[in-house]
Amino acid sequence: GDSVTQMEGPVTLSEEAFLTINCTYTATGYPSLFWYVQYPGEGLQLLLKATKADDKGSNKGFEATYRKETTSFHLEKGSVQVSDSAVYFCALKAAGNKLTFGGGTRVLVKP
Amino acid sequence: NAGVTQTPKFQVLKTGQSMTLQCAQDMNHEYMSWYRQDPGMGLRLIHYSVGAGITDQGEVPNGYNVSRSTTEDFPLRLLSAAPSQTSVYFCASSADRKTNTEAFFGQGTRLTVV
Repeated sequence: GDSVTQMEGPVTLSEEAFLTINCTYTATGYPSLFWYVQYPGEGLQLLLKATKADDKGSNKGFEATYRKETTSFHLEKGSVQVSDSAVYFCALKAAGNKLTFGGGTRVLVKP
Repeated sequence: NAGVTQTPKFQVLKTGQSMTLQCAQDMNHEYMSWYRQDPGMGLRLIHYSVGAGITDQGEVPNGYNVSRSTTEDFPLRLLSAAPSQTSVYFCASSADRKTNTEAFFGQGTRLTVV
């Protein structure tokens, strides 16, 4: 079945540091890939998405590229802020509209 | 813009009690689903609905019932709560079943079963 694997956290960074969160997936067919973010006490919000190979999703300084050859969708941000502290979820959606999530990565950015 | 609204936000139940978690969306979305979030396990699909009158089981359906009598509402029922159902529950909706369609999430219900 479909699955998503992402690096375990927590990831602790200083402000303005570079952030990478690795995500790899297994799926049949051609899934769409998503990154969702969960700020403390809130639900999940879509951060970015990519729907086909080599697409780059971007939002709020975050980027991720759909790499079909390596089945990966790594999330990157060049300079994090304290406000980026959250839990980040990689997810895929294949046929049938079912989202499959990774385990989540908690990121803590210190001033 | 209400989006997806879940009630209650917090709930404590005793083992064996029943309750209903409410979920409503005002976006006229066709597809709705319930997830539970447990540490290190991401979100796991409990039940989903592709439209009014149609529901189906997800990955972890045991102990939960759902119904979809209207497009807007998708309640989740726990018939006899167990400590293993202690979790954070999220309701989500999306406009259709296309793979590239975004899902919108409620703010969650934190349930503790003692």
